[in-house]
Amino acid sequence: AQSVTQLDSQVPVFEEAPVELRCNYSSSVSVYLFWYVQYPNQGLQLLLKYLSGSTLVKGINGFEAEFNKSQTSFHLRKPSVHISDTAEYFCAVSDSNNYGQNFVFGPGTRLSVLP
Amino acid sequence: KAGVTQTPRYLIKTRGQQVTLSCSPISGHRSVSWYQQTPGQGLQFLFEYFSETQRNKGNFPGRFSGRQFSNSRSEMNVSTLELGDSALYLCASSWRGSSYEQYFGPGTRLTVT
Repeated sequence: AQSVTQLDSQVPVFEEAPVELRCNYSSSVSVYLFWYVQYPNQGLQLLLKYLSGSTLVKGINGFEAEFNKSQTSFHLRKPSVHISDTAEYFCAVSDSNNYGQNFVFGPGTRLSVLP
Repeated sequence: KAGVTQTPRYLIKTRGQQVTLSCSPISGHRSVSWYQQTPGQGLQFLFEYFSETQRNKGNFPGRFSGRQFSNSRSEMNVSTLELGDSALYLCASSWRGSSYEQYFGPGTRLTVT
């Protein structure tokens, strides 16, 4: 079974500073990886995904993530954050070999962008 | 394309009652998954339906059930509500199945008193 670890439960950062949100996963099979964002009182919005191909994945709102198979990581980065990026971010993994296998989400990282 | 819709958005129920939540997926999506989100437990998978068949189920008691209709709309039912069932219930749809990217609705906020 897969599992996801997001080491930082909260990350405060000043506006226009860079940010990295860490995600590590464990799985005995090949995986698909995702980052979602949740704004207050809303559902989850897909930021980016890794299914195959290039390990550097670009998403919406200027975010990108890099899949590192040897370190089983999929860290999310943004070079310059805005106040509007304040939200909860979830990393998720699914088993790419088992069609229909459910997602496993990490516990989330609350990003607070300070003025 | 319209996104995933969930009704109702907010619901208050009393312990012991039952509740039915509804989810309409994105047009053309055949997979619908349900999740429970609470501050303490985070996002937990309830079940997935694909073409009217339950394909996967999370670790929840039998009080939680669901179904999917031929138009891919899905309902989730919780019987004999407990205080601990208070949560945000999220529905997600996917064209190919829940291993791939899923698109989430805004959720139904259920409060059990």
